[in-house]
Amino acid sequence: KNQVEQSPQSLIILEGKNCTLQCNYTVSPFSNLRWYKQDTGRGPVSLTIMTFSENTKSNGRYTATLDADTKQSSLHITASQLSDSASYICVVTQKAAGNKLTFGGGTRVLVKP
Amino acid sequence: KAGVTQTPRYLIKTRGQQVTLSCSPISGHRSVSWYQQTPGQGLQFLFEYFSETQRNKGNFPGRFSGRQFSNSRSEMNVSTLELGDSALYLCASRDGIQETQYFGPGTRLLVL
Repeated sequence: KNQVEQSPQSLIILEGKNCTLQCNYTVSPFSNLRWYKQDTGRGPVSLTIMTFSENTKSNGRYTATLDADTKQSSLHITASQLSDSASYICVVTQKAAGNKLTFGGGTRVLVKP
Repeated sequence: KAGVTQTPRYLIKTRGQQVTLSCSPISGHRSVSWYQQTPGQGLQFLFEYFSETQRNKGNFPGRFSGRQFSNSRSEMNVSTLELGDSALYLCASRDGIQETQYFGPGTRLLVL
């Protein structure tokens, strides 16, 4: 069964600190992996997208990594800010099968001053 | 370009009623997907339309249906509403199969 598992479910960090979110997937065949940020009450916004051949992708203070061999991805937030408080969702696209998207349950991050 | 728009933004209905939600994709995008998001279940895929044809469908009962018009605008209909249908309904559009989805702000539905 194609699945995307994210950990931890929630995270509290102090402003200015770094944190890393994990995403493990079993989706096959793999096409690409995206990380989205979703603020409360709003739609998700794409942060990064990585294909099979890409190991890392950055977007400002957000850096995503991908290990296609172990089917793991991480999202690292550097020098967290209060505005980073949101849910972060990992989404994997399955090659063929209409390029079906499988969503992780998300990690809720709360940045405290 | 204008982003994905959804109407209405908020909606209150009672059990047994039906509801129709609307989504206007980014200009030029031919694919529209619908998702249900609840605190306990996260984002659940409902269906995807591409050039007026349903391309993918999630595991939702037949009470949930959708359609796409020639201008790529899409509607989602839920009949015989249940309390459990209370959720944020998100619409997302993309141009090609490999492209990033752009989400709308969502319609928050409350079923009483």
